[in-house]
Amino acid sequence: GAVVSQHPSRVICKSGTSVKIECRSLDFQATTMFWYRQFPKKSLMLMATSNEGSKATYEQGVEKDKFLINHASLTLSTLTVTSAHPEDSSFYICSARAAAGIDQPQHFGDGTRLSIL
Amino acid sequence: AQSVTQLDSQVPVFEEAPVELRCNYSSSVSVYLFWYVQYPNQGLQLLLKYLSGSTLVKGINGFEAEFNKSQTSFHLRKPSVHISDTAEYFCAALKQGTYKYIFGTGTRLKVLA
Repeated sequence: GAVVSQHPSRVICKSGTSVKIECRSLDFQATTMFWYRQFPKKSLMLMATSNEGSKATYEQGVEKDKFLINHASLTLSTLTVTSAHPEDSSFYICSARAAAGIDQPQHFGDGTRLSIL
Repeated sequence: AQSVTQLDSQVPVFEEAPVELRCNYSSSVSVYLFWYVQYPNQGLQLLLKYLSGSTLVKGINGFEAEFNKSQTSFHLRKPSVHISDTAEYFCAALKQGTYKYIFGTGTRLKVLA
């Protein structure tokens, strides 16, 4: 149980284009979803937290106009990297939590490797 | 200062040998602690968690961890490793008063034949 699917797993595109990444909870309803960015050989950096039906909360230093997050339903959140540039190349990972509570772990997707040429 | 510290960036160990991956946390995080494993080009999989109760926590794949409040540590151990345990391991804690994870920088475990 607790499967989170992330799509696409890999995307390569030209500088200036926008890229959308989907995160779906397949067998549970996710009240909260998180988006992380992971640089090579580095830890995960939380970018934003999204709750279904409300605006995402971005971490300090993360450009909300650059990284658009939509959490339209209890099973789907999307991250759109707008006007992507080479410095946006990274591994993006989403996670989802079924309910509030300390005992509710985050379940992670398999990540999306974004390469901007 | 790093809130969750993993001092070892890489740990090589021979197959069937025991291993310990170190994790220390600071007072800026809660004592709700987690260990995750990440295989290449994949997301993170929960190994185990400490929320309260017994300080020795057993997880999946034969891993266990011990919460030590006096040493502010939550080290991960396995008595006998397999080649398939080769992966990146992340220690994490909940940020005080939130459900947000603070991750350590990760330890790459490389199991040698």
